[in-house]
Amino acid sequence: AQKITQTQPGMFVQEKEAVTLDCTYDTSDPSYGLFWYKQPSSGEMIFLIYQGSYDQQNATEGRYSLNFQKARKSANLVISASQLGDSAMYFCAMREGRNDYKLSFGAGTTVTVRA
Amino acid sequence: ETGVTQTPRHLVMGMTNKKSLKCEQHLGHNAMYWYKQSAKKPLELMFVYNFKEQTENNSVPSRFSPECPNSSHLFLHLHTLQPEDSALYLCASSQPDRIDEAFFGQGTRLTVV
Repeated sequence: AQKITQTQPGMFVQEKEAVTLDCTYDTSDPSYGLFWYKQPSSGEMIFLIYQGSYDQQNATEGRYSLNFQKARKSANLVISASQLGDSAMYFCAMREGRNDYKLSFGAGTTVTVRA
Repeated sequence: ETGVTQTPRHLVMGMTNKKSLKCEQHLGHNAMYWYKQSAKKPLELMFVYNFKEQTENNSVPSRFSPECPNSSHLFLHLHTLQPEDSALYLCASSQPDRIDEAFFGQGTRLTVV
């Protein structure tokens, strides 16, 4: 079964506007971590933001925030004030267990920011 | 620059060739990973090394042979590949059990012809 589901293959957003990327996950482990990565055309995976399953507050990192809804098993990424440099592929990933080193990735969402 | 360097960035090889991908990090990490990213598929973990010892082989075919001579270097030796092996191969490193602090390289874009 798919552990991470990203239902939006591609999205367009106007510069300076906000965009929300959907991510739902499936796990029976009470301890898990959720990640978002950005992959520009150059290929590397750039870590953006992390949310632990026991974290009480939603994670924020600059223009990135994670809308964590535990009961719905969703971890949507919100990018505020989009910039042209935000155009990239975005991946949601999950680590199950507190110390597991494996990441399960979603299929990704391509974001294109328009001027 | 993430601190994880992969070479070559692009590789085209025939099905009978033997080639190697290289990954190098000087972040002081003791865990290194190989991931495969195929078109329209999620990233797949292939191998994990902790302190130079292989701790994970995710049912990878034997035509992919990893090697970790020290904590800073990781290789992926390739031989008799198939066209469906064409993909972006990403290397990552972290401290053991700290995948939440992993750094990725830029990947090697492999095309098997």
